[in-house]
Amino acid sequence: QKEVEQDPGPLSVPEGAIVSLNCTYSNSAFQYFMWYRQYSRKGPELLMYTYSSGNKEDGRFTAQVDKSSKYISLFIRDSQPSDSATYLCAMNDYKLSFGAGTTVTVRA
Amino acid sequence: DGGITQSPKYLFRKEGQNVTLSCEQNLNHDAMYWYRQDPGQGLRLIYYSQIVNDFQKGDIAEGYSVSREKKESFPLTVTSAQKNPTAFYLCASSVIGQAKGYGYTFGSGTRLTVV
Repeated sequence: QKEVEQDPGPLSVPEGAIVSLNCTYSNSAFQYFMWYRQYSRKGPELLMYTYSSGNKEDGRFTAQVDKSSKYISLFIRDSQPSDSATYLCAMNDYKLSFGAGTTVTVRA
Repeated sequence: DGGITQSPKYLFRKEGQNVTLSCEQNLNHDAMYWYRQDPGQGLRLIYYSQIVNDFQKGDIAEGYSVSREKKESFPLTVTSAQKNPTAFYLCASSVIGQAKGYGYTFGSGTRLTVV
């Protein structure tokens, strides 16, 4: 069983829709939770991070962590074609563990 | 601008050949990492280093070797012992005790193909 599970998709939505992404994990020692965005043929870039449980909002992006359920989510409101990318969740104890990544396409 | 530079962007390897991927950072980060990315499998850790002249194996180190002679540089050699080397390779760096919310900074990657 992988430490971090993420549905690879792909996920296709129309412009303006809400994109909902999620990951589950098994290691209760994880404390820092992150979402990376990766455009095609590029390295991942840090999008959001959250410490422990709770919500964090940044513009159109909201990250949620539920440690009791070992479940994290990323929501993208008013999605744009420029949001088309692969989104990877990551979490850590002494090193980062990554999900498989979900490929998202926002159709104009 | 501070960042991580990986080269080359594309690399072709013949069967039985060793190749070396370059990774240089000017972020003054102590820790550096090599990941391999395959479709549907996410990022898998090959090697990491937290200090000069020291490095540790990650989850899939077999067939790979690294060196850390300078803080700024962490080259990865893909040896002929690596049976399935075709993949996208990512180098990253971070501050020590990092992930205090800062995460890793990634390079743009090297796509290695066996021909």
